[in-house]
Parts: sequence; structure tokens; C-alpha cells
Amino acid sequence: GNSVTQMEGPVTLSEEAFLTINCTYTATGYPSLFWYVQYPGEGLQLLLKATKADDKGSNKGFEATYRKETTSFHLEKGSVQVSDSAVYFCAFSGSARQLTFGSGTQLTVLP
Amino acid sequence: DADVTQTPRNRITKTGKRIMLECSQTKGHDRMYWYRQDPGLGLRLIYYSFDVKDINKGEISDGYSVSRQAQAKFSLSLESAIPNQTALYFCATSDLSGRPNTGELFFGEGSRLTVL
Repeated sequence: GNSVTQMEGPVTLSEEAFLTINCTYTATGYPSLFWYVQYPGEGLQLLLKATKADDKGSNKGFEATYRKETTSFHLEKGSVQVSDSAVYFCAFSGSARQLTFGSGTQLTVLP
Repeated sequence: DADVTQTPRNRITKTGKRIMLECSQTKGHDRMYWYRQDPGLGLRLIYYSFDVKDINKGEISDGYSVSRQAQAKFSLSLESAIPNQTALYFCATSDLSGRPNTGELFFGEGSRLTVL
């Protein structure tokens, strides 16, 4: 069935370090792919998305590329900040017109 | 004011009690969802509604029921709460009309429920 597997956390980095959070999916057809972020005490909000193969989503310095051949959508940022500390969720939208979420990755950035 | 509002934000109750979590939205979206979040499990879909007359079960609907009172209101009920329903519950909305795979979900701030 449809599923999302993302890198387990927690991840702890120093400020200005490079970030990668891996995400792979199993789905039929050609889903749209998303990264959501949840800051402490808040609901989830969309960080970036890609709707077709080879698309790159980007926002706030974060990027992710839709790789159909590897069914992946890894999240990257070249230089993280303390304010990036949050939980990050990979998700995809398949034929059922719902979003399926990964388990979330907690990121802590230390000054 | 938030576009998606959930009440209550926090609730502690006892096993066997009936609980209702309410969600209202001002975004004008047709689609509304209830998710629960548990540590290490991410978000799991409980119920969703694509319009007032359309209610659908998600992957974990057992023990829950919903009511779509109006386009802007979608409530989640636990008829007889049990401790493993302790979780953070999120309401979300979307407008996916015309482009079902490109829509974005808009979340409320969550309702933390503890069942003792």
C-alpha cells in the first residue's frame, strides 16, 4: 500500500551545519510530494512541494527534488539556524486525494 | 484570528466519558480533516469530509465519530474515551477542487486530549 518512510530522529546540529532529512515513498501513479514543518506548540504548515518528477520545491532556504527513479524527496538546507528547530514531516498526495504523512523528524539546532 | 480554530486546546477527561472536539474555519474550504498525532507515528487520518453531505472514514476511525454541521464546522466525538486515545488532535482544511494532487492542507493549532 501507499506509505512514506522518513529518517528517524531526533537530529541535532550546530548552527550553520548542512541538513539532510531523507524521505522515500511507496505509491501508485504519480503523487505530489510535500514537506510540512511543525514549530513548537503549533500546527503543521506547508514548507515546500513538488508536483511532478524532477521538480524542485524550495522555501526559506530549504530544497527538495522529486526523484521518481528513486521514489525519494529528501529535504536539504545548506546552513541551518536555531529558528529551524522543529519537527519535519514528509507527505504525499495520491489517488485517494488525501495526504499520507511520514512519522516526522525532530530537528534541534544548537547555537 | 486563526483561519482554522480548534476548541478546546487542552482537555483532560476520564475513561468512559464522551468528548467532543470542535473545529471551525474561515478559509471557505470545502474539505475538512481530523488527524491524530502520536510520538513516532506521525499524523494518522481519522475522518475526512469533502462537503457537508460527504463523510469518509480514514485509517483509524474506530472509536470516533464526526459531524459536519456546516461548511465551516467539523466536529470529532469520542463516544466513550479510552486511555489509548490520548493524543494531539489536529483539524485541517483544504481546497483541492480542480487539482486534486496539488492542494495544501491548512492546520489548526491542535487539541491535546488526555484520557485517564
